[in-house]
Amino acid sequence: QSVLTQPPSVSAAPGQKVTISCSGSGSNIGNNYVSWYQHLPGTAPTLLIYDANRRPSGIPDRFSGSKSGTSATLHITGVQTGDEADYYCGTWDANLNVGVFGGGTKLTVL
Amino acid sequence: DVQLVESGGGFVQPGRSLRLSCAVSGFTFDDYAMHWVRQAPGKGLEWISGITWKSRTLGYADSVKGRFTISRDNTKNSLFLQMNSLRPEDTALYYCVKDRYQILAVPEDWGQGTLVTVSS
Repeated sequence: QSVLTQPPSVSAAPGQKVTISCSGSGSNIGNNYVSWYQHLPGTAPTLLIYDANRRPSGIPDRFSGSKSGTSATLHITGVQTGDEADYYCGTWDANLNVGVFGGGTKLTVL
Repeated sequence: DVQLVESGGGFVQPGRSLRLSCAVSGFTFDDYAMHWVRQAPGKGLEWISGITWKSRTLGYADSVKGRFTISRDNTKNSLFLQMNSLRPEDTALYYCVKDRYQILAVPEDWGQGTLVTVSS
């Protein structure tokens, strides 16, 4: 069982907006950077969002992030078939002194 | 371009050891923290260990603490993971990951991974 809780799956039609939630606690999301990763089958994960709402260079602005208290959310607008992947949130847990990931959310584009 | 190339994976019996290596290029290695993250078959990502830029802070997941040791050689641009007392549940694809910062905070750039299979 993961320290961070994500829904196992979400779905959306092409062009729609989708959100993926990530719930943690004060020792992790509440007081640390939150990152989001896209993991396409057979490839290495890609950092989409860091520091809760910042995008690395090269990441489309269709991807955005937000954080409130001990929860974080990944927002994807204008969903495309190429966005079908597993998405993970991640952060540092100060109490456990370890990195932690959510269990992952599979995005299906209908 | 940032490049991270893992090696050292393979098939090993329970109780034996393996040493993973990660050769990096395309950035100033000793300016960044580094991580090892694994993914077991059909499972999600699991952070297992991290090391800060000057090796002052090392972190381990409970699942590997006392069995795995992370280290780095900044003169050789290399990251290592010594894995002892391997168990079948350690079977996974192991990724070497560069942090965005000097501290353990944001795993950013990922290698392609090296596969470790632990089985009798």
